[in-house]
Amino acid sequence: QVQLQESGPGLVKPSQTLSLTCTVSGGSISSGTYYWSWIRQPAGKGLEWIGRIYTSGSTNYNPSLKSRVSISVDTSKNQFSLKLNSVTAADTAVYYCARDIIAVAGYFDYWGRGTLVTVSS
Amino acid sequence: SYVLPQPPSVSVAPGKTARVTCGGHNIGSKSVHWYQQKPGQAPVLVIYYDGARPSGIPERFSGSNSGNTATLTISRVEAGDEADYYCQVWDSSSDHYVFGTGTKVTVL
Repeated sequence: QVQLQESGPGLVKPSQTLSLTCTVSGGSISSGTYYWSWIRQPAGKGLEWIGRIYTSGSTNYNPSLKSRVSISVDTSKNQFSLKLNSVTAADTAVYYCARDIIAVAGYFDYWGRGTLVTVSS
Repeated sequence: SYVLPQPPSVSVAPGKTARVTCGGHNIGSKSVHWYQQKPGQAPVLVIYYDGARPSGIPERFSGSNSGNTATLTISRVEAGDEADYYCQVWDSSSDHYVFGTGTKVTVL
């Protein structure tokens, strides 16, 4: 059974960089069948896809966040990471990592439990 | 950017049928996936590729997609089905995923 676990600071100051890591267990992140995605959800609001990475390092980002986002992968640790810079209060949300099936139109079959990140001074 | 409007809420009595719609220009030409999210929990995939059910999802959950509307149907609704439901597609015009606005299903 694949499991994903988000980790990182729960509090980030405005204008600084939000950094999160997702650790994958029960399966290899190097499997060629999946992308690995980040998704967020502000309290009481809907889901927003942030971006994804393939084991090769190839990425896709949400156009609305592209200028501030970077996703990387560390296959040796079976982890992938998110960096979001110049954060504001609007970036306060629960951040999820998820496994993304490679397909013409993929979907997310496994999710982490999510981690709350608050942007505040 | 591709937009997927959903009704904010749907109410249904136990044992009845709930239908959650997901609108989008020519959405019938895309593959639609649906997620169920209960309070404080991560979303769970309940329908993929318009109407396929993952292992462990009851047959009461079904989906369809045609024209400008995709629909998630929950038959014989149970109290445990009360949750938020989101549709999701891949927007090939800008290579990114889009989620619907979400629908809260309330079991009366």
